[in-house]
Formats: sequence, C-alpha cells, structure tokens
Amino acid sequence: HLQLQESGPGLVKPSETLSLTCTVSGGSISSNTYYWGWIRQPPGKGLEWIASIYYSGSNYYNPSLKSRVTISVDTSKNQFSLKLSSVTAADTAVYYCARQIRITMILDYWGQGTLVTVSS
Amino acid sequence: EIVLTQSPGSLSLSPGERATLSCRASQSVSSGYLAWYQQKPGQAPRLLIYGASSRATGIPDRFSGSGFGTDFTLTISRLEPEDFAVYYCQQYGSSVTFGGGTKVEIK
Repeated sequence: HLQLQESGPGLVKPSETLSLTCTVSGGSISSNTYYWGWIRQPPGKGLEWIASIYYSGSNYYNPSLKSRVTISVDTSKNQFSLKLSSVTAADTAVYYCARQIRITMILDYWGQGTLVTVSS
Repeated sequence: EIVLTQSPGSLSLSPGERATLSCRASQSVSSGYLAWYQQKPGQAPRLLIYGASSRATGIPDRFSGSGFGTDFTLTISRLEPEDFAVYYCQQYGSSVTFGGGTKVEIK
C-alpha cells in the first residue's frame, strides 16, 4: 500500500527558505509510470500546484512560483524534496506531496499534508 | 495557463438529493487530462474521477463525471452523509491547474 509522508519545519521566518521532504513507502519512486508532485493549500482556500518531478530529474514548475522553487529527487532514499525561497506570509499553507500519473498528471495518491507557517 | 472556473461556489442540499457540479475551462481540455477530487475538513484531497468520466478505485457508482472540451460536470446521484465536502476539478495542459472548488453543504 503506497504511502507518502511530508516532513520539515512547521515554522519558517520571512525571507528564508522553506524546505520539505516527501518520503515514499510501499512503492518505488523510480517507477517509469509516475511523476511526484507538491501542492499547497492556504488556510481556508483552494489548491495550488507547485512543481512535479520524474525519477530521472525531469521537472515541471508552476510558472507563478518558478523563480523561487526547486524540486529534487533522491532515488536512493525514495524521497523527493521541495525548496521555496524568499518566503512571505502568503506562503503559509498546508503543503501536500502526491503521486502523479505520467502524461495526464492526475494526482492519485496524496500525503496527509503538513502545515507550514511563515512568521517571525 | 488554463483557468478552471467551478460553479456554484457552494451548494446546499439534503441527503438523498442529486448534486450537479460544473467545471468550465478557459480553453479546451483533453478529456483524459481532467480529474475531480473530494476534500473533507482536515484531510488531503481524494481522487474521485479521472479521464473526465472514469471512477477511481473504490469510488461508489453514485459519483459520475461527464463532459468534454471546456465544460465538465460531476454528478452525485443521491447524496450520502459522507459526501458533504468540497470538490475540486483539475486539468493538465502545459501546466497543472485546479478549479476554485464547490462546497456541498447539508441543507
């Protein structure tokens, strides 16, 4: 049974870099069928896709966040990670990692999410 | 970027009633790239429908999806108490985008 688990600091100071890791268990991140993505949801608001990565390192970014985002993958640890730089209060959100079906980018498995608050 | 507009923003219905949710795209979306998700408070979204009309594993047949081009619909034939939630559509064109969501509330 596939599981995804987000981890990282729950509090980040303004102007600093938010760093999160998603650990995948019950399946291989090196599958050629899937991408792996990050999605966020500000409190009380809707969903926003951030970025996605293939096990080879091929990636896609949300154009509105691209200048501040880096997504990476570590196949040896079955993990992928997100870095978001120069954060502000507007980046406060629940951050989800998810598996995406290659080509269609449908998100079929999600982590439980982790709340990241940007505050001094 | 393709913008998805969901309507209505909220829907107040009773258990047993039919719910019809709309998702309209600013440009044509390939049906294979359109999905619907359900989200309950404090939980991650759950995939309901993919390819515009195919139910994901374990999704009851009271949920159905339809549509093509720029107009897509999620229908819940008879609302069960556990169906009261927020529903999002999502597409993939050159980028992944979500609609703003429709909240289905108990009347």
